[in-house]
Amino acid sequence: EAQVTQNPRYLITVTGKKLTVTCSQNMNHEYMSWYRQDPGLGLRQIYYSMNVEVTDKGDVPEGYKVSRKEKRNFPLILESPSPNQTSLYFCASSHGTLNEQFFGPGTRLTVL
Amino acid sequence: GESVGLHLPTLSVQEGDNSIINCAYSNSASDYFIWYKQESGKGPQFIIDIRSNMDKRQGQRVTVLLNKTVKHLSLQIAATQPGDSAVYFCAETRTGGGADGLTFGKGTHLIIQP
Repeated sequence: EAQVTQNPRYLITVTGKKLTVTCSQNMNHEYMSWYRQDPGLGLRQIYYSMNVEVTDKGDVPEGYKVSRKEKRNFPLILESPSPNQTSLYFCASSHGTLNEQFFGPGTRLTVL
Repeated sequence: GESVGLHLPTLSVQEGDNSIINCAYSNSASDYFIWYKQESGKGPQFIIDIRSNMDKRQGQRVTVLLNKTVKHLSLQIAATQPGDSAVYFCAETRTGGGADGLTFGKGTHLIIQP
């Protein structure tokens, strides 16, 4: 089944404790992206990747890192999480930007 | 800043009626527009897309209209059903100056009244 998977689905952590949210797709997509969704603000892009070893900042990259060592994986790294990073995070993938993006199920992160 | 927006945060319609959800965008260079549906507790799901060289595209029970003159996008859902209850997002992408992916509007919550 073609899908985007994210892990964990739910995470509660404390300020400053490094964490990684994994994202994997099995559709051989070149393009992958991370979004955060907050009430009243909709979906905002954090980082995106056009292909392996190519990553770029989106609209709200501060406090986040990503890597794209393999085509299928695009982990989101929070080196020192802060409470303002409490949010619902979505990973997405597609064949390029002018195509439908497939979204993962979301990761709800709470930073205390 | 936000370049894609929706006119109404909530839209309530009777089951069986047609729904129209509107969206405005500000960037004339936008090439591609997508409507997504997000049900509670799930990720956004593709509904229909349209490219800037078109003004109308139809799917199953859904139609997207694009008016580039006034930078307006709409999603029409025919004969709405309870399963249509969700938040609907329009999104646009600009390929000039770097392919930075989709910019989403804030969403319209469609409520279906029985």
